[in-house]
Amino acid sequence: AQSVTQPDIHITVSEGASLELRCNYSYGATPYLFWYVQSPGQGLQLLLKYFSGDTLVQGIKGFEAEFKRSQSSFNLRKPSVHWSDAAEYFCAVWGGSQGNLIFGKGTKLSVKP
Amino acid sequence: DGGITQSPKYLFRKEGQNVTLSCEQNLNHDAMYWYRQDPGQGLRLIYYSQIVNDFQKGDIAEGYSVSREKKESFPLTVTSAQKNPTAFYLCASSINDRGETQYFGPGTRLLVL
Repeated sequence: AQSVTQPDIHITVSEGASLELRCNYSYGATPYLFWYVQSPGQGLQLLLKYFSGDTLVQGIKGFEAEFKRSQSSFNLRKPSVHWSDAAEYFCAVWGGSQGNLIFGKGTKLSVKP
Repeated sequence: DGGITQSPKYLFRKEGQNVTLSCEQNLNHDAMYWYRQDPGQGLRLIYYSQIVNDFQKGDIAEGYSVSREKKESFPLTVTSAQKNPTAFYLCASSINDRGETQYFGPGTRLLVL
């Protein structure tokens, strides 16, 4: 069965520092992968997605993610974090059938001034 | 502006009461989804609909019902059979029935009195 693991429940980084959020997936074929961000009490906003091609994908708000098939990973990165990036981040994989978007349990990001 | 709207933002349910959450989209998307979000649990699929007058159960459909009478509307009813309804409910839509890229509404928080 498809699954997504986000190993870090909560991460704290200083403003201006770099960020990497980890995501590992389990899926038999080439996965479609996504990162979403959720501010408190809000819906989810799509940051970026990977379907095929270049394994380094650029998203909104200065985020990027790299697909590594050998490691079954799709880690999210940002070179310099801003206080407004504090939120919860969700990795998701599309399982290939209608409705089958599988989410990780999320990583909460806190940003220190 | 195109988007997904959910109402109300907060909803209170009494014991034994059915309540209905509204979801409307003006994106002309074919498919719509309902997810439930609990703290630390990620998102779980309740129901989805690929076309008007058709819908499918997701992973946690028990105690919920839906209808899809119009393309732009996909209301969710939380019935009295749902014994633990307190959660954040998110509606999403996708441009086609494959559903690999889903866009989310702002959510409704349901609380039990």
